[in-house]
Amino acid sequence: EVQLVQSGAELKKPGESLRISCTGSGYSFTTYWINWVRQMPGKGLEWMGRIDPSNSYTNYSPSFQGHVTISVDKSLNTAYLQWSSLKASDTAMYYCARRMMGGNDAFDIWGQGTMVTVSS
Amino acid sequence: DIQMTQSPSSLSASVGDRVTITCRASQSISSSLNWYQQKPGKAPKLLIYVASNLLSGVPSRFSGSGSGTDFTLTISSLQPEDFATYYCQQSYSIPLFTFGQGTKLEI
Repeated sequence: EVQLVQSGAELKKPGESLRISCTGSGYSFTTYWINWVRQMPGKGLEWMGRIDPSNSYTNYSPSFQGHVTISVDKSLNTAYLQWSSLKASDTAMYYCARRMMGGNDAFDIWGQGTMVTVSS
Repeated sequence: DIQMTQSPSSLSASVGDRVTITCRASQSISSSLNWYQQKPGKAPKLLIYVASNLLSGVPSRFSGSGSGTDFTLTISSLQPEDFATYYCQQSYSIPLFTFGQGTKLEI
């Protein structure tokens, strides 16, 4: 089964660092870009950025550039989203999603989501 | 940035109804438009890609159309499991992909 499995929920304090993960299985991980999408409580979907697992090339939305870092470990079939200094406004559900092959950048497989709560 | 505007923001309908949701882009995006369904507490699911292509396994009551700036998602006969929030997404402006604000389909 093709799937993306994300790490569990996190509760952090403002200023702390965090890295969440997204592990792919059932397909050739390095063949498909991985995207990260934010959903704040009760709100819509926001594209944050993406990574090509074959070469670690990244693109970021200007809204998130400089505040998060996307990386990958090919040997573990895992992509990461990390923060060096969290803010309360980072409280949200974060999804990873695979770029569809031949699907014009549609996202065909999604992780189950990682809830990040930032509170003092 | 390309802005995506969905209408309506919410919609009340009944089982068996035909429902249409509209998505408008702030500039032409050719056919680079995708539709997702999200149920409460769940990850989004891709329904339609490149404006009108039904993802394998998605029921045929779902259909998409449009090109340029105006797009529609139609559900021909609503089923109980279709009550959810629907999002459009443009994939024309690579790599700055943007979603519509969502349409909540309620009973």
